[in-house]
Amino acid sequence: DTGVSQDPRHKITKRGQNVTFRCDPISEHNRLYWYRQTLGQGPEFLTYFQNEAQLEKSRLLSDRFSAERPKGSFSTLEIQRTEQGDSAMYLCASSFGTDFTNSPLHFGNGTRLTVT
Amino acid sequence: EDQVTQSPEALRLQEGESSSLNCSYTVSGLRGLFWYRQDPGKGPEFLFTLYSAGEEKEKERLKATLTKKESFLHITAPKPEDSATYLCAVQAISGSARQLTFGSGTQLTVLP
Repeated sequence: DTGVSQDPRHKITKRGQNVTFRCDPISEHNRLYWYRQTLGQGPEFLTYFQNEAQLEKSRLLSDRFSAERPKGSFSTLEIQRTEQGDSAMYLCASSFGTDFTNSPLHFGNGTRLTVT
Repeated sequence: EDQVTQSPEALRLQEGESSSLNCSYTVSGLRGLFWYRQDPGKGPEFLFTLYSAGEEKEKERLKATLTKKESFLHITAPKPEDSATYLCAVQAISGSARQLTFGSGTQLTVLP
């Protein structure tokens, strides 16, 4: 169990640029989640995948955000035309099954995005 | 809509000074309540799952308890390495069964 891995750890970009983040989940986990966390707040759900299928998206996820998990393994989260309000920590998490009581969410250490 | 409220927002303790953190929740039906620890610049680290009122879980100096409306994280004789933000989250039975709803956390500082 090597844990959930995210890359890059930090990203600074100018407003209007596109950015892409990568997440590698724990290998036996079939479910992968993206959360966003701003300073002083808890993580907020963005979207989740079961294998390669994106099954749910939050209302927080505007059209500028897109996520993929092409082969049911790693996932990418792209933000197009970044805005200063997108500055946050983007957390990836994975689990096995839908019931977190049986398989808790395990988080990566996140990608810190700063939009200038 | 599921809601989770944590208090206090911040807590400073002297080493060895025991205390409790509170997590109040509102859900249509609780599947599980979760406690996480988050260190600065890191992702949340899973601590406990609680399923039903009356349940208790322990890990080293931490003990989590659950009632029908709230959960407490009791910290006994804390050490400086217990300093972190402690997050509470709930999973509801219905609707957003695949999501966790988090509180804003309690930032704990333990002074030597």
